Amino acid sequence: DGGITQSPKYLFRKEGQNVTLSCEQNLNHDAMYWYRQDPGQGLRLIYYSQIVNDFQKGDIAEGYSVSREKKESFPLTVTSAQKNPTAFYLCASKTGDGDTGELFFGEGSRLTVL
Amino acid sequence: GQNIDQPTEMTATEGAIVQINCTYQTSGFNGLFWYQQHAGEAPTFLSYNVLDGLEEKGRFSSFLSRSKGYSYLLLKELQMKDSASYLCAVMDSNYQLIWGAGTKLIIKP
Repeated sequence: DGGITQSPKYLFRKEGQNVTLSCEQNLNHDAMYWYRQDPGQGLRLIYYSQIVNDFQKGDIAEGYSVSREKKESFPLTVTSAQKNPTAFYLCASKTGDGDTGELFFGEGSRLTVL
Repeated sequence: GQNIDQPTEMTATEGAIVQINCTYQTSGFNGLFWYQQHAGEAPTFLSYNVLDGLEEKGRFSSFLSRSKGYSYLLLKELQMKDSASYLCAVMDSNYQLIWGAGTKLIIKP
């Protein structure tokens, strides 16, 4: 079945460590996104990519990095520079960034910093 | 700035009808989305409105008034499984989604 797979679902990290969250899609979508969700707030865009080997910063990119070496994959690295990384992270994709199609979401990764 | 407002929490009774409102102020408008999100899970698409009026899809309907910057999601014949958060999102002139904080809907028997 087509969809978006995020891993791991739960992740614990010590302060000062970098972690990488995986996002893979087999929907043949060009556009991929990373969002952060905190209680009481709307989804906030971290990074997005419209095409392979290209990506743009979203509203809260500081302390995060991404790569888009393959169409199917858009991993997110949460670096030690991110001051408050504990959150629920959602990866999403859609056909193209400039269209009005719906977003398809992965199941999310919950990161907790100890 | 861009802003999406929706109530934080609502409570309704199983079998009843509930209306969840969303008001928005954005830079341009390319449509409004409603998503459902159960606790700890990913959001799933419910509806998309770009023209004024009511769109009906089974037990769920979504209404849009662009002149008023207003939408609502109407849920009929509520079931316990409808307990979830409902997210309103507006696509701005740059085709970026602006998200509301979500409305947590609690269904009581």
